[in-house]
Amino acid sequence: DAGVIQSPRHEVTEMGQEVTLRCKPISGHNSLFWYRQTMMRGLELLIYFNNNVPIDDSGMPEDRFSAKMPNASFSTLKIQPSEPRDSAVYFCASSHNRGNQGSYGYTFGSGTRLTVV
Amino acid sequence: GQNIDQPTEMTATEGAIVQINCTYQTSGFNGLFWYQQHAGEAPTFLSYNVLDGLEEKGRFSSFLSRSKGYSYLLLKELQMKDSASYLCAVEDTGGFKTIFGAGTRLFVKA
Repeated sequence: DAGVIQSPRHEVTEMGQEVTLRCKPISGHNSLFWYRQTMMRGLELLIYFNNNVPIDDSGMPEDRFSAKMPNASFSTLKIQPSEPRDSAVYFCASSHNRGNQGSYGYTFGSGTRLTVV
Repeated sequence: GQNIDQPTEMTATEGAIVQINCTYQTSGFNGLFWYQQHAGEAPTFLSYNVLDGLEEKGRFSSFLSRSKGYSYLLLKELQMKDSASYLCAVEDTGGFKTIFGAGTRLFVKA
């Protein structure tokens, strides 16, 4: 199992440009999560999907952020237009959700370090 | 509201035992997790508690008291490679959402 795969590992872009982050979850996992991590705010949940359906996007900072999960093996997080304050490490994680019994924890991807200049 | 508190930093000596505490107040509870995160890397799963009591896994143990909203992670026979951040996290009811604490940075010195 290759684990959760994220791309790119690093992204440097200019303010105003569109940024697309990609994630391939572990095969068989039915939940996918996008987190953002900064020194000041720690790990923040942006959005999560269950069976490819967005469940809660209340953590998405503003309309500049959008996420999709067109199938069970792929998700994207898009920022348009990007701003310097979006600079952070963005993690994708997946899990097997057992409904009321919860999950056994998350497997995180290696993250995308985004720098907006 | 949702709140998870843990100390910001701790320092311990190689070979010693260290206990990292976590208190939480969340709207729902489906389990408490501990993750380890080395600098520049992703968090990795360490332990899971859903019932009160102690779960032991090698050098690491985790304890939960649901009535007190309290957990701790116990690391024995500390090694230099244990220097990392340790994140306490609570899974909401239904298993859909996990809230993370800010993490405790542990420094292990020789």
